[in-house]
Amino acid sequence: DTEVTQTPKHLVMGMTNKKSLKCEQHMGHRAMYWYKQKAKKPPELMFVYSYEKLSINESVPSRFSPECPNSSLLNLHLHALQPEDSALYLCASSQENEQFFGPGTRLTVL
Amino acid sequence: DQQVKQNSPSLSVQEGRISILNCDYTNSMFDYFLWYKKYPAEGPTFLISISSIKDKNEDGRFTVFLNKSAKHLSLHIVPSQPGDSAVYFCAATSGVSELLIFGKGTKLSVKP
Repeated sequence: DTEVTQTPKHLVMGMTNKKSLKCEQHMGHRAMYWYKQKAKKPPELMFVYSYEKLSINESVPSRFSPECPNSSLLNLHLHALQPEDSALYLCASSQENEQFFGPGTRLTVL
Repeated sequence: DQQVKQNSPSLSVQEGRISILNCDYTNSMFDYFLWYKKYPAEGPTFLISISSIKDKNEDGRFTVFLNKSAKHLSLHIVPSQPGDSAVYFCAATSGVSELLIFGKGTKLSVKP
């Protein structure tokens, strides 16, 4: 199994909702990432969970919170999002110098 | 300041011809470089990579060239096909970090 899976593929939520994005990999990778990507721009790194340590991009607002239940899963909890948070959210995992991306979750905040 | 630069936002090439996508970097600590391809509304997919100990890596129609002294790499696609039309991202990393630094991407259009 050499893929990163993400669910759901699409999510539409209101500004008062609480939702979660899920990411899973079974390649034994020790580092997993969440990226946010707006149209025509490269992905922006949000969080890194590497060797059981969480690193946070300080520009990411607290309405996004990651959770790593085990080494194969990295969830992203969403609460009280804003319309400008609408984007493609990409999960990735890596080992040494190669990074594998999931297909992304297309999030729309109304 | 950008550490990985893709100065051409777009490139248009005729089918069958060569596509050359360029990437410059500033951080001399980078020792591994990758190219990703991205279709609209999809995540980037890994295409090809090169270590700083090499100056060329070839995989089918794709070849990446690395010029360390110029801090420049390029991706050659020969022959170009309409299905190659996508945004191509250059990325770099160093051995002490697992983080990738991406360029802003170049949109390639291959016309039939």
